[in-house]
Amino acid sequence: QQQVRQSPQSLTVWEGETAILNCSYEDSTFNYFPWYQQFPGEGPALLISIRSVSDKKEDGRFTIFFNKREKKLSLHITDSQPGDSATYFCAAQPGTGSNRLTFGKGTKFSLIP
Amino acid sequence: EAAVTQSPRNKVTVTGGNVTLSCRQTNSHNYMYWYRQDTGHGLRLIHYSYGAGNLQIGDVPDGYKATRTTQEDFFLLLELASPSQTSLYFCASSDSGGRDAEQFFGPGTRLTVL
Repeated sequence: QQQVRQSPQSLTVWEGETAILNCSYEDSTFNYFPWYQQFPGEGPALLISIRSVSDKKEDGRFTIFFNKREKKLSLHITDSQPGDSATYFCAAQPGTGSNRLTFGKGTKFSLIP
Repeated sequence: EAAVTQSPRNKVTVTGGNVTLSCRQTNSHNYMYWYRQDTGHGLRLIHYSYGAGNLQIGDVPDGYKATRTTQEDFFLLLELASPSQTSLYFCASSDSGGRDAEQFFGPGTRLTVL
């Protein structure tokens, strides 16, 4: 059973456009949602995160929008740059008990050359 | 200087072989994790530990053993490797308490089982 779903599987946009990466989850105990960015040949690294008490988190050109009722969140990348080309993983952590993260399958993001 | 290192970076073995993947972190973190990454599956947790001598089972533990010898060192053992274990393996660490804690990943080990 896949608890964290991401879409699309891959996304390509023009430089300067806004990209939207989607994530949804099933477990209502999840209350912390980090997004990790992974470049080829490297390990993932934390990009931005949000807690379920918030509906928006912004960090430069990256913004998370969170809808608790629908159990959905999205990562918006504005003014997309070539250096943003990477795979993006949405993850989720429950509010109590284990601190382990459940990762989605990732969205491979690239810019049209 | 990299805070999470893994060795070897690449490994090729044969079916039935023994493999040990090593991870060392210099973050002074209590939590350490082993993941495997496969196309179409994302990152899946194999085992994790919250301190020396401790071991917790992850989501895909079958065929894997792990041992945490010190706060710094976490090992993943494949005693009878199978082709299904061909994958990219990542080690990560996070701070004590763990809740909302950032996980710091190593560079990965690519394992091929022939």
